[in-house]
Amino acid sequence: EPEVTQTPSHQVTQMGQEVILHCVPISNHLYFYWYRQILGQKVEFLVSFYNNEISEKSEIFDDQFSVERPDGSNFTLKIRSTKLEDSAMYFCASSQGVAEAFFGQGTRLTVV
Amino acid sequence: AQSVTQPDIHITVSEGASLELRCNYSYGATPYLFWYVQSPGQGLQLLLKYFSGDTLVQGIKGFEAEFKRSQSSFNLRKPSVHWSDAAEYFCAVGKAGNMLTFGGGTRLMVKP
Repeated sequence: EPEVTQTPSHQVTQMGQEVILHCVPISNHLYFYWYRQILGQKVEFLVSFYNNEISEKSEIFDDQFSVERPDGSNFTLKIRSTKLEDSAMYFCASSQGVAEAFFGQGTRLTVV
Repeated sequence: AQSVTQPDIHITVSEGASLELRCNYSYGATPYLFWYVQSPGQGLQLLLKYFSGDTLVQGIKGFEAEFKRSQSSFNLRKPSVHWSDAAEYFCAVGKAGNMLTFGGGTRLMVKP
């Protein structure tokens, strides 16, 4: 069964450093998403991406965040200058549009 | 604005007993509704979805859910719980191709 793949599974970074989280969505999907889950809290929407542009974003997704689909198969989330409060599990998801979203296993980001 | 409430943060049931997890939503139009399950350290796996039609939907692992528009609810049920069902369960609402809004989750524990 096709699946969404995220790498790395765990990333530790120093506060103020840039970090890039990688995702390979399911190949025939058209919509791509990033969500995050701070430990013990609910899953929160960050951004959706369709047709090579951001289609929707939350207030969490400020200027420190950016997304890119660099080569037609990967979908990345960049955090420019990480803060302690960025520590969370980050989930990538993809969907065909009129269908459910499939989630990856997540990348646990720890900012120290 | 859309929102999802899962009133029960923790539920403990005995193995073999029946289960019902509650979910109430607020959404301005006909919602798409989802239940996801998250095992410890894992990603989000889709259990079932409701888009339209029959209000009782069947999912994987023996789960079902019933959409009740009059009550704005989408409760998840299983007639006989197995120890492997212990996990966190998330209800979500949204439109396909758009952001999902998740509830706070219900952590299910199963007693032997």
